Amino acid sequence: AQSVAQPEDQVNVAEGNPLTVKCTYSVSGNPYLFWYVQYPNRGLQFLLKYITGDNLVKGSYGFEAEFNKSQTSFHLKKPSALVSDSALYFCAVRDYYNFNKFYFGSGTKLNVKP
Amino acid sequence: DTEVTQTPKHLVMGMTNKKSLKCEQHMGHRAMYWYKQKAKKPPELMFVYSYEKLSINESVPSRFSPECPNSSLLNLHLHALQPEDSALYLCASSQALSAGGHYEQYFGPGTRLTVT
Repeated sequence: AQSVAQPEDQVNVAEGNPLTVKCTYSVSGNPYLFWYVQYPNRGLQFLLKYITGDNLVKGSYGFEAEFNKSQTSFHLKKPSALVSDSALYFCAVRDYYNFNKFYFGSGTKLNVKP
Repeated sequence: DTEVTQTPKHLVMGMTNKKSLKCEQHMGHRAMYWYKQKAKKPPELMFVYSYEKLSINESVPSRFSPECPNSSLLNLHLHALQPEDSALYLCASSQALSAGGHYEQYFGPGTRLTVT
């Protein structure tokens, strides 16, 4: 079975500081991992994905994520947080045996304080 | 154009009403999805269409009826809903699933449904 876990319901960080939003995964086969962001009353926006290759993946709005196979993690990072980054972040994995299915983590609320 | 549009933005309906949600994309995607999302929770998959054929129904009650009239449109017909069906309904699309699982989904802004 495929799953992702986001161990933190909420992350608080000061503007200008680096941020990390954690995600761990459990998959059979090669993982297809994604990060999405959701602003209030909006749909999900794609940030980045890991398919294969470089463990450091760069995405939209200055975000990046580090794939770590030994720790089965795919943490989202940004070197310098902005107040406008405050939103709900979801990690997701695509089912390797049934591409129709995405499994989302429970979500992490990021609060960036000025 | 990487946009998925959904109408209406908001919908209030009584338990005896019949209404429809609409979703449209012009990215040439051949996979389309309906999700239900409760506040501060992850989206829950309801239906998946692949090449205009229903490929997944996640045991959704029959009061929800999906339809994919063509490769750009996806509808969700609603009838005799319950108050607990109130949620944000999200449509998404992606490249054809047969092309590989590495394609991301593009989401619409959602329809906020309230059942009274």
